[in-house]
Amino acid sequence: DVKVTQSSRYLVKRTGEKVFLECVQDMDHENMFWYRQDPGLGLRLIYFSYDVKMKEKGDIPEGYSVSREKKERFSLILESASTNQTSMYLCASSGAGGHKYFGPGTRLTVT
Amino acid sequence: GENVEQHPSTLSVQEGDSAVIKCTYSDSASNYFPWYKQELGKGPQLIIDIRSNVGEKKDQRIAVTLNKTAKHFSLHITETQPEDSAVYFCAASPWSQGNLIFGKGTKLSVKP
Repeated sequence: DVKVTQSSRYLVKRTGEKVFLECVQDMDHENMFWYRQDPGLGLRLIYFSYDVKMKEKGDIPEGYSVSREKKERFSLILESASTNQTSMYLCASSGAGGHKYFGPGTRLTVT
Repeated sequence: GENVEQHPSTLSVQEGDSAVIKCTYSDSASNYFPWYKQELGKGPQLIIDIRSNVGEKKDQRIAVTLNKTAKHFSLHITETQPEDSAVYFCAASPWSQGNLIFGKGTKLSVKP
């Protein structure tokens, strides 16, 4: 069974902290994505990666960075967390067929 | 860039009735249109998708129709059941491996 896992389901951080969100997929997929989901706004793409050590900005990259050192792992980094980054963060991966598999999400609260 | 509009934002139906959710897109280059179902506390899960060379696709109680000329596509769920209650998202993309532009979602409630 295909699987995308995210390191935490719930996370509470303080303003200014550096935050790491980890995503791991076991399907040997080339493509990995980070989205944030907010009520009334749907899913918006933060960053994506088509290969190891490769990254591309999505629609809302400001305040975020990413790292992909291994094919199965894609990390989202909040360099200095702010309250407007309180959100649900969803990781996804896809292979050649294009079918995107999503992880369960990390609900991040920044206080 | 692509923009996807989804309607309605909420939909309530009686068990056994049909439910229809509609989406429009702006970029004529889009040719891949998936639908996702998101249950409470879970990530979105693909339930059906359609590519632009096909006008309709069906999988048991779920069907999707695509009108490329009008740039709209719809999700049809027949014989709804309480377990169909969830948030449904449509999306569009010029290619299946690329970024998806999502609609804002429809919260479907099926009343027993």
